[in-house]
Amino acid sequence: DAGVTQSPTHLIKTRGQQVTLRCSPISGHKSVSWYQQVLGQGPQFIFQYYEKEERGRGNFPDRFSARQFPNYSSELNVNALLLGDSALYLCASSHESSGNTIYFGEGSWLTVV
Amino acid sequence: AQSVTQPDIHITVSEGASLELRCNYSYGATPYLFWYVQSPGQGLQLLLKYFSGDTLVQGIKGFEAEFKRSQSSFNLRKPSVHWSDAAEYFCAVAPRGDYKLSFGAGTTVTVRA
Repeated sequence: DAGVTQSPTHLIKTRGQQVTLRCSPISGHKSVSWYQQVLGQGPQFIFQYYEKEERGRGNFPDRFSARQFPNYSSELNVNALLLGDSALYLCASSHESSGNTIYFGEGSWLTVV
Repeated sequence: AQSVTQPDIHITVSEGASLELRCNYSYGATPYLFWYVQSPGQGLQLLLKYFSGDTLVQGIKGFEAEFKRSQSSFNLRKPSVHWSDAAEYFCAVAPRGDYKLSFGAGTTVTVRA
């Protein structure tokens, strides 16, 4: 089975622009989470979705939003980009059958210039 | 407040030597505990996890970790390090029944020949 897949892998945006990042969870996984990892730091929780409903939100501004689709894939949107939004954005998926085991994708590298 | 502490920012170890990475957590109740590894420019790979039961947990790549409730610790060990173990290691915790991970700041492991 394929793991968690994310796209795009790398992208460069200008301050003030908007970006959409995409994630496909492991087949059968209904929970998707998003994390932001700034260079040199551990990942920070942004959102968790389960069965298309938001289950949790981290300490991020309203410029960050997400959604989950009927096929359990997910999108993370960031509006009005700031230089500080430059980071690796990680998507993770999990399923009840695996307990709380959380599997991560390779991430999307966002550079804001 | 809930927190995860990895006291060592950087560890250098000789190939073939043993490795121990420290992790302490502060939580109201014993959370789920994880260790992830991240190679440069890559996503996070799960090494091992502790949910309950035997406090010595075996993982992939020859790693093991020991949960000590009295010390609120979950230290990672490997008896003999290989050059390919050079990477960033993250300890993470999640509340029981939840998928939201809180990460430590990470420990960078350098392996010298």
